[in-house]
Amino acid sequence: QLQLQESGPGLVRPSETLSLTCSVSGASISSSGHYWSWIRQAPGGGLEWIASVSKDGATYYKSSLKSRLRVSVDTSRQQIALNLTSVTVADTAFYYCARHRSLSLVTDFFAYWGQGTLVTVSS
Amino acid sequence: DIVLTQSPATLSLSPGERATLFCRASQSVSNFLAWYQQKPGQAPRLLVYDASNRATGIPARFSGSGSGTDFTLTISSLEPEDFAVYYCQQRRLWPGTFGQGTRLEIQ
Repeated sequence: QLQLQESGPGLVRPSETLSLTCSVSGASISSSGHYWSWIRQAPGGGLEWIASVSKDGATYYKSSLKSRLRVSVDTSRQQIALNLTSVTVADTAFYYCARHRSLSLVTDFFAYWGQGTLVTVSS
Repeated sequence: DIVLTQSPATLSLSPGERATLFCRASQSVSNFLAWYQQKPGQAPRLLVYDASNRATGIPARFSGSGSGTDFTLTISSLEPEDFAVYYCQQRRLWPGTFGQGTRLEIQ
C-alpha cells in the first residue's frame, strides 16, 4: 500500500525558505513512471497545484511561483523535496504531496495523497 | 488557465436524500474531470476520474456524468459519512486546476 508522509517545520519566518520533504513507502519511486506533485491549501481555502516532478527530475511549476519554487526527487532516499524561497504570509497553507494516477502524465488526477502538513509563515 | 466553477457553494441535505453537485469549466475539458471528497483534517480523496469512472474502493452511490464544460457528481442516498467538501479538477490542459469546492452539510 503506497503511503506518503510530509514533514518539515511548521513555522517559517517571512522572507525565509520553506523546506518540506515527502517520504514515500510501499512503492519504489525509481521504478515508478508516475509524476509526483505538491498541492497546497490555505486554511479554509481551496486546492492549488504548485509543482510536479518525475523520477528523472523533470519539473513543472505553477507560473506565479516558478521564480521561488524548486522541487527535487531523491530516489535512494525515497523522498521528494520542496523548497519555496522568500515566503510571505500568503504562503501559509497545508502542503500535500501526491502521486499522479496515470503513468507518465504531467497533468493528471491525484490518486494518492499524504496527510498534509501545515506551514505557517509568521514573525 | 481553465477555471472551474462549482455550484452550489453549500448544499444542505439530510441522510438518505439525493445530492447533486455541479462543476462548469470555462472551456471544454472533454471528459478529463475528476471529483474529490475532503473531510475536516484529512487530505482529499479521489472519488471519480475521467468524468464517470469511480476510483478504487468508492461506493456505487457516487456517480459522475458530463462532458465538455458541464459535469455532475451525484450521491444517490446520502450516508452520514458523506457530509464533506467536494472539489472538481480538470486535467485537460496544464496546469490542472481545481474548483472552489461545494460544502455538503447536514440539514
